[in-house]
Amino acid sequence: GIQVEQSPPDLILQEGANSTLRCNFSDSVNNLQWFHQNPWGQLINLFYIPSGTKQNGRLSATTVATERYSLLYISSSQTTDSGVYFCAVQVAAGNKLTFGGGTRVLVKP
Amino acid sequence: NAGVTQTPKFQVLKTGQSMTLQCAQDMNHNSMYWYRQDPGMGLRLIYYSASEGTTDKGEVPNGYNVSRLNKREFSLRLESAAPSQTSVYFCASSATYQNTEAFFGQGTRLTVV
Repeated sequence: GIQVEQSPPDLILQEGANSTLRCNFSDSVNNLQWFHQNPWGQLINLFYIPSGTKQNGRLSATTVATERYSLLYISSSQTTDSGVYFCAVQVAAGNKLTFGGGTRVLVKP
Repeated sequence: NAGVTQTPKFQVLKTGQSMTLQCAQDMNHNSMYWYRQDPGMGLRLIYYSASEGTTDKGEVPNGYNVSRLNKREFSLRLESAAPSQTSVYFCASSATYQNTEAFFGQGTRLTVV
């Protein structure tokens, strides 16, 4: 099956810093989503981005499907950005989301 | 707009007991899913229902059964709980089973002792 690798596994930021999270995948995909799992365990949809670039406030994401990676940018980080960020992909012929291992982010005040 | 609602939020079971996790969505989605999340790991698919009236196994179906009660509701049943089923369970839904955005419920934290 498809492999999804996220880097870095852990990230510690000072409030106000910028960061980039990466998601590499091993096969062509028709669906790619970024989620934020907050400290209460809730999965929040950030982006549905099978290709191209999207922005939502301080967050933006870019997927380069031909090169099999996606990037999530966090600018001017806040303590509320802490949590685990997951990338999940769906292959063209598949029917489930395959999750990466996540990037655990801690933003310190 | 509630989205995807799961009940209960927390549950403790003894080994061998049974229970049903409930999930309902109000987005008129055709497809629904059950995932489990274990410590330090991403989510793994247990079962899914591509459309009302159909269910299929995911990657970790052993020890579970599901029922797609109607378009809105998709339940997950543990017939004889085992400690290995201690996990956080997430229900999700999407408009179709391919290439559409999935939305998740708030999760059910299950402990089997």
